[in-house]
Amino acid sequence: DAGITQSPRHKVTETGTPVTLRCHQTENHRYMYWYRQDPGHGLRLIHYSYGVKDTDKGEVSDGYSVSRSKTEDFLLTLESATSSQTSVYFCAISDSTAGGRYEQYFGPGTRLTVT
Amino acid sequence: ELKVEQNPLFLSMQEGKNYTIYCNYSTTSDRLYWYRQDPGKSLESLFVLLSNGAVKQEGRLMASLDTKARLSTLHITAAVHDLSATYFCAVDAYGGSQGNLIFGKGTKLSVKP
Repeated sequence: DAGITQSPRHKVTETGTPVTLRCHQTENHRYMYWYRQDPGHGLRLIHYSYGVKDTDKGEVSDGYSVSRSKTEDFLLTLESATSSQTSVYFCAISDSTAGGRYEQYFGPGTRLTVT
Repeated sequence: ELKVEQNPLFLSMQEGKNYTIYCNYSTTSDRLYWYRQDPGKSLESLFVLLSNGAVKQEGRLMASLDTKARLSTLHITAAVHDLSATYFCAVDAYGGSQGNLIFGKGTKLSVKP
């Protein structure tokens, strides 16, 4: 398995509080991604990073910010959590390989509940 | 905007039967990925299809890609209970170096004895 960990694995928080989720990789992959998974929606990209301090928005970025100060860590922050951000959050990593695969490997996920 | 549609979204099969899951996408792309997810678990990569006509097989699963029709199929042969899971296809959104993927909503497969 690719060396990807996410912390915390479960979190319950109250509306309006800030929340930070962490993704840590030991594969030295260039690209890192944050997705959210909701019933009926599949996975949707929130933000991604293509290098240290290089990030960009995905499909559902409103209400989220990210930071990547080291290759191995990608942080997702909910500045002021809302109930609509209750979801399962997955981190993924990828890098170029022979043939341009850019296959993404996923972390174990973080279940976030906003009450 | 790239859209990825899978069908069916739910599939109940008997063991030993064959079936196909379809993945249609709306714009040109030559990179398509299939993932499997067990309940409460993460996503596991099954297949990477990188060109028109690509076919990959692993056990009872076979995936193919037709970039001209913008269609990928995941064929299940002689289904067994262990194949019960949700299967996602994902398409490279830009065909560039970021590898951004747009996922279908998933097909929940249930294989019954």
